[in-house]
Amino acid sequence: GAVVSQHPSWVICKSGTSVKIECRSLDFQATTMFWYRQFPKQSLMLMATSNEGSKATYEQGVEKDKFLINHASLTLSTLTVTSAHPEDSSFYICSATSPRGMAYEQYFGPGTRLTVT
Amino acid sequence: KQEVTQIPAALSVPEGENLVLNCSFTDSAIYNLQWFRQDPGKGLTSLLLIQSSQREQTSGRLNASLDKSSGRSTLYIAASQPGDSATYLCATGANSKLTFGKGITLSVRP
Repeated sequence: GAVVSQHPSWVICKSGTSVKIECRSLDFQATTMFWYRQFPKQSLMLMATSNEGSKATYEQGVEKDKFLINHASLTLSTLTVTSAHPEDSSFYICSATSPRGMAYEQYFGPGTRLTVT
Repeated sequence: KQEVTQIPAALSVPEGENLVLNCSFTDSAIYNLQWFRQDPGKGLTSLLLIQSSQREQTSGRLNASLDKSSGRSTLYIAASQPGDSATYLCATGANSKLTFGKGITLSVRP
C-alpha cells in the first residue's frame, strides 16, 4: 500500500515551452502532496505543499507563476513548469501523506527527469 | 532554519563490512527522522522512520538510532552487500515538512 506514481518518468522539452508532470496516489487518498526538486549530488529541496481543493503553499524563492501546482482531487496533483528554461532542468519528485501512515510520513514517487534544451 | 548534514559525502567499503552512516541536524524540535535510499536516477525508498519519542528502529540488517539532544542519527548496516550500493539520505520531519541532507553515496565492493 501507499504507492505514488509520477508521469512522465522523463521528458525533454524546448526552451520556452511548458511541461506538465502528474503525481498520483494509487491506493490511497492523499489530502496533502509535496513537490521537490533535486539537482545532481544535492539534497531534495521542497518547492511547495499542496492540499486538495486549495492553493499550494510555495517555499521561499520558488516562483508560483512559473511552477503551477494543481491538486484538484484526492489522488492527483500536477506540476506545470511554464516557459521552461535550461536552468529548470532537474529531477522533480512528488510525495504524499496517507491517512494510514504515521504522522508526517511521506510516500515518494519515482521522480521525473526534466531536460530543457 | 533546520540544517541536516551528512558526512562524508561518499564512502567505499568492502563487502561484508559493518558500517555506520551519520546524520546531524541543528534543530532538535523534530517530530521524526527518516532514512531513505535512492538509487541513481530513481525516487526515494523509505528505509526507517524514527518518531521523536523513540530511540531506534530496526529492519533486517538496518538499524537507525536517534539522539535528539545531540542532534544526531546513525544508520547501521550490518554485513554490507554490493546491492546496498546507493545514496542514503536522512531527513527530519517538523511542521509537516521534511528537511533533507545531501546524502551519502555508498559503494560496497565485491
